[in-house]
Amino acid sequence: RKEVEQDPGPFNVPEGATVAFNCTYSNSASQSFFWYRQDCRKEPKLLMSVYSSGNEDGRFTAQLNRASQYISLLIRDSKLSDSATYLCVVNLPSGGYNKLIFGAGTRLAVHP
Amino acid sequence: SQTIHQWPATLVQPVGSPLSLECTVEGTSNPNLYWYRQAAGRGLQLLFYSVGIGQISSEVPQNLSASRPQDRQFILSSKKLLLSDSGFYLCARAESSTDTQYFGPGTRLTVL
Repeated sequence: RKEVEQDPGPFNVPEGATVAFNCTYSNSASQSFFWYRQDCRKEPKLLMSVYSSGNEDGRFTAQLNRASQYISLLIRDSKLSDSATYLCVVNLPSGGYNKLIFGAGTRLAVHP
Repeated sequence: SQTIHQWPATLVQPVGSPLSLECTVEGTSNPNLYWYRQAAGRGLQLLFYSVGIGQISSEVPQNLSASRPQDRQFILSSKKLLLSDSGFYLCARAESSTDTQYFGPGTRLTVL
Protein backbone atom coordinates (compact mmCIF):
# COMPACT_ATOMS: atom_id res chain seq x y z
CA ARG A 1 0.00 0.00 0.00
CA LYS A 2 1.32 3.45 -0.89
CA GLU A 3 2.03 5.78 2.01
CA VAL A 4 -0.18 8.50 0.49
CA GLU A 5 -2.77 7.67 -2.13
CA GLN A 6 -4.73 10.04 -4.31
CA ASP A 7 -7.07 9.64 -7.25
CA PRO A 8 -4.92 10.84 -10.18
CA GLY A 9 -7.90 12.27 -12.06
CA PRO A 10 -8.13 14.25 -14.21
CA PHE A 11 -11.18 15.98 -12.86
CA ASN A 12 -12.72 18.02 -15.67
CA VAL A 13 -15.22 20.51 -14.28
CA PRO A 14 -16.94 23.67 -15.54
CA GLU A 15 -16.31 27.05 -14.01
CA GLY A 16 -18.39 27.55 -10.88
CA ALA A 17 -18.52 23.86 -10.00
CA THR A 18 -17.67 22.39 -6.63
CA VAL A 19 -15.07 19.65 -6.68
CA ALA A 20 -13.68 17.44 -3.93
CA PHE A 21 -10.40 15.56 -3.76
CA ASN A 22 -9.69 12.72 -1.39
CA CYS A 23 -6.48 11.33 -0.01
CA THR A 24 -5.66 8.42 2.30
CA TYR A 25 -2.48 7.85 4.26
CA SER A 26 -1.12 4.67 5.77
CA ASN A 27 0.92 5.71 8.81
CA SER A 28 -1.17 6.47 11.88
CA ALA A 29 1.82 8.27 13.46
CA SER A 30 1.49 11.12 10.97
CA GLN A 31 0.67 14.40 12.66
CA SER A 32 0.83 17.13 10.03
CA PHE A 33 -1.08 17.31 6.79
CA PHE A 34 -0.97 19.68 3.86
CA TRP A 35 -2.34 20.38 0.42
CA TYR A 36 0.06 21.76 -2.16
CA ARG A 37 -0.75 23.02 -5.60
CA GLN A 38 1.56 22.40 -8.55
CA ASP A 39 1.16 24.12 -11.90
CA CYS A 40 2.54 22.48 -15.02
CA ARG A 41 6.36 22.47 -14.99
CA LYS A 42 6.47 24.58 -11.83
CA GLU A 43 7.38 23.94 -8.22
CA PRO A 44 4.74 22.86 -5.67
CA LYS A 45 3.31 25.70 -3.61
CA LEU A 46 1.67 25.37 -0.24
CA LEU A 47 -2.07 25.76 -0.56
CA MET A 48 -3.06 25.10 3.03
CA SER A 49 -2.26 23.10 6.12
CA VAL A 50 -4.95 20.73 7.34
CA TYR A 51 -5.97 20.93 10.97
CA SER A 52 -7.83 18.38 13.03
CA SER A 53 -10.91 20.54 13.30
CA GLY A 54 -10.98 21.25 9.60
CA ASN A 55 -10.16 24.63 8.14
CA GLU A 56 -11.28 26.96 5.44
CA ASP A 57 -9.46 29.52 3.33
CA GLY A 58 -11.80 31.36 1.01
CA ARG A 59 -13.18 28.88 -1.51
CA PHE A 60 -11.01 26.06 -0.17
CA THR A 61 -11.96 23.76 2.70
CA ALA A 62 -9.76 21.00 4.09
CA GLN A 63 -10.93 18.19 6.34
CA LEU A 64 -9.04 15.55 8.30
CA ASN A 65 -10.40 12.26 9.59
CA ARG A 66 -7.72 10.65 11.74
CA ALA A 67 -9.77 7.55 12.50
CA SER A 68 -10.10 6.74 8.80
CA GLN A 69 -6.69 8.25 7.90
CA TYR A 70 -8.37 10.36 5.29
CA ILE A 71 -7.90 13.94 4.12
CA SER A 72 -10.08 15.92 1.76
CA LEU A 73 -9.96 19.20 -0.13
CA LEU A 74 -13.12 20.92 -1.32
CA ILE A 75 -12.98 23.70 -3.88
CA ARG A 76 -16.13 25.78 -4.32
CA ASP A 77 -16.97 28.05 -7.24
CA SER A 78 -14.09 26.73 -9.36
CA LYS A 79 -12.12 29.24 -11.41
CA LEU A 80 -10.12 28.64 -14.57
CA SER A 81 -7.05 29.56 -12.54
CA ASP A 82 -7.68 26.61 -10.21
CA SER A 83 -6.53 24.25 -12.98
CA ALA A 84 -3.46 22.51 -11.57
CA THR A 85 -2.33 19.33 -9.85
CA TYR A 86 -3.16 19.12 -6.15
CA LEU A 87 -0.73 17.21 -3.95
CA CYS A 88 -1.74 15.62 -0.67
CA VAL A 89 1.19 15.69 1.76
CA VAL A 90 1.61 13.90 5.08
CA ASN A 91 4.45 14.10 7.54
CA LEU A 92 6.20 11.05 8.90
CA PRO A 93 8.22 11.56 12.06
CA SER A 94 11.63 10.08 11.28
CA GLY A 95 14.67 10.18 13.51
CA GLY A 96 14.30 13.72 14.80
CA TYR A 97 13.12 15.44 11.67
CA ASN A 98 9.86 15.56 9.81
CA LYS A 99 9.86 13.70 6.55
CA LEU A 100 7.11 14.72 4.17
CA ILE A 101 5.49 12.09 1.98
CA PHE A 102 3.90 13.44 -1.18
CA GLY A 103 1.03 11.87 -3.03
CA ALA A 104 1.34 11.64 -6.80
CA GLY A 105 -1.30 14.34 -7.16
CA THR A 106 -4.80 14.84 -8.51
CA ARG A 107 -5.11 16.82 -11.70
CA LEU A 108 -7.89 19.39 -11.99
CA ALA A 109 -8.94 20.99 -15.28
CA VAL A 110 -11.54 23.76 -15.05
CA HIS A 111 -13.13 24.68 -18.37
CA PRO A 112 -15.29 27.65 -19.41
CA SER B 1 11.19 37.58 2.96
CA GLN B 2 12.61 34.12 2.49
CA THR B 3 13.66 33.12 -1.01
CA ILE B 4 15.10 30.00 -2.56
CA HIS B 5 17.23 30.19 -5.68
CA GLN B 6 18.12 27.22 -7.85
CA TRP B 7 20.65 27.17 -10.62
CA PRO B 8 20.54 26.32 -13.48
CA ALA B 9 16.86 26.37 -14.44
CA THR B 10 17.29 23.80 -17.19
CA LEU B 11 20.12 21.46 -18.12
CA VAL B 12 20.76 18.90 -20.85
CA GLN B 13 23.64 16.56 -20.15
CA PRO B 14 25.03 13.42 -21.83
CA VAL B 15 25.07 10.08 -20.03
CA GLY B 16 28.24 9.68 -17.99
CA SER B 17 28.85 13.39 -17.51
CA PRO B 18 29.11 15.03 -14.07
CA LEU B 19 26.42 17.13 -12.45
CA SER B 20 26.29 20.00 -10.02
CA LEU B 21 23.04 21.71 -9.05
CA GLU B 22 23.00 24.58 -6.63
CA CYS B 23 20.40 25.77 -4.16
CA THR B 24 20.79 28.93 -2.10
CA VAL B 25 18.42 30.32 0.51
CA GLU B 26 17.95 33.93 1.59
CA GLY B 27 16.31 35.48 4.60
CA THR B 28 16.68 32.68 7.10
CA SER B 29 19.32 31.07 9.27
CA ASN B 30 19.97 27.41 9.92
CA PRO B 31 17.11 26.10 7.78
CA ASN B 32 16.50 22.43 7.14
CA LEU B 33 17.18 21.87 3.45
CA TYR B 34 15.94 19.13 1.16
CA TRP B 35 16.56 17.82 -2.36
CA TYR B 36 13.67 16.14 -4.16
CA ARG B 37 13.35 14.64 -7.61
CA GLN B 38 10.13 14.46 -9.59
CA ALA B 39 10.18 12.17 -12.60
CA ALA B 40 7.73 12.89 -15.41
CA GLY B 41 4.18 12.18 -14.23
CA ARG B 42 5.36 10.98 -10.84
CA GLY B 43 5.30 12.17 -7.26
CA LEU B 44 8.15 13.85 -5.42
CA GLN B 45 10.90 11.59 -4.15
CA LEU B 46 13.06 12.81 -1.26
CA LEU B 47 16.75 12.38 -2.11
CA PHE B 48 18.65 14.16 0.68
CA TYR B 49 18.04 16.38 3.65
CA SER B 50 20.32 18.50 5.79
CA VAL B 51 19.83 20.01 9.23
CA GLY B 52 23.08 22.00 9.20
CA ILE B 53 26.47 22.64 7.60
CA GLY B 54 28.16 19.39 6.66
CA GLN B 55 25.20 17.31 7.87
CA ILE B 56 23.66 15.27 5.07
CA SER B 57 21.27 12.34 5.24
CA SER B 58 20.44 10.23 2.22
CA GLU B 59 17.02 8.76 1.68
CA VAL B 60 17.58 6.70 -1.44
CA PRO B 61 20.76 4.89 -2.53
CA GLN B 62 21.80 6.17 -5.93
CA ASN B 63 24.66 7.73 -7.85
CA LEU B 64 23.90 11.19 -6.49
CA SER B 65 25.47 12.97 -3.54
CA ALA B 66 24.77 16.20 -1.67
CA SER B 67 26.84 18.69 0.25
CA ARG B 68 26.14 21.70 2.43
CA PRO B 69 29.29 23.82 2.51
CA GLN B 70 27.54 26.89 3.92
CA ASP B 71 24.44 27.43 6.04
CA ARG B 72 22.37 28.66 3.11
CA GLN B 73 23.86 26.58 0.30
CA PHE B 74 22.91 23.05 -0.68
CA ILE B 75 24.51 21.29 -3.64
CA LEU B 76 23.45 18.15 -5.48
CA SER B 77 26.15 16.33 -7.45
CA SER B 78 26.87 13.29 -9.51
CA LYS B 79 30.11 11.97 -10.96
CA LYS B 80 28.40 10.09 -13.80
CA LEU B 81 24.83 10.72 -14.86
CA LEU B 82 22.46 7.94 -15.86
CA LEU B 83 19.45 8.20 -18.17
CA SER B 84 17.25 7.54 -15.14
CA ASP B 85 18.57 10.71 -13.49
CA SER B 86 16.40 12.83 -15.78
CA GLY B 87 13.73 14.73 -13.90
CA PHE B 88 12.72 17.90 -12.13
CA TYR B 89 15.00 18.59 -9.16
CA LEU B 90 13.54 20.66 -6.38
CA CYS B 91 15.22 22.19 -3.38
CA ALA B 92 13.06 22.91 -0.35
CA ARG B 93 13.57 24.60 2.99
CA ALA B 94 11.84 24.31 6.34
CA GLU B 95 12.26 26.20 9.56
CA SER B 96 13.94 24.07 12.17
CA SER B 97 10.95 24.23 14.50
CA THR B 98 8.20 23.51 11.97
CA ASP B 99 7.72 21.06 9.16
CA THR B 100 6.10 23.18 6.46
CA GLN B 101 8.32 23.05 3.40
CA TYR B 102 8.72 25.69 0.73
CA PHE B 103 10.18 24.94 -2.66
CA GLY B 104 12.57 26.66 -5.00
CA PRO B 105 11.76 27.01 -8.71
CA GLY B 106 13.52 23.76 -9.61
CA THR B 107 16.02 22.55 -12.19
CA ARG B 108 14.77 20.49 -15.11
CA LEU B 109 17.46 17.95 -16.04
CA THR B 110 17.44 15.90 -19.22
CA VAL B 111 20.06 13.20 -19.60
CA LEU B 112 20.57 12.02 -23.19
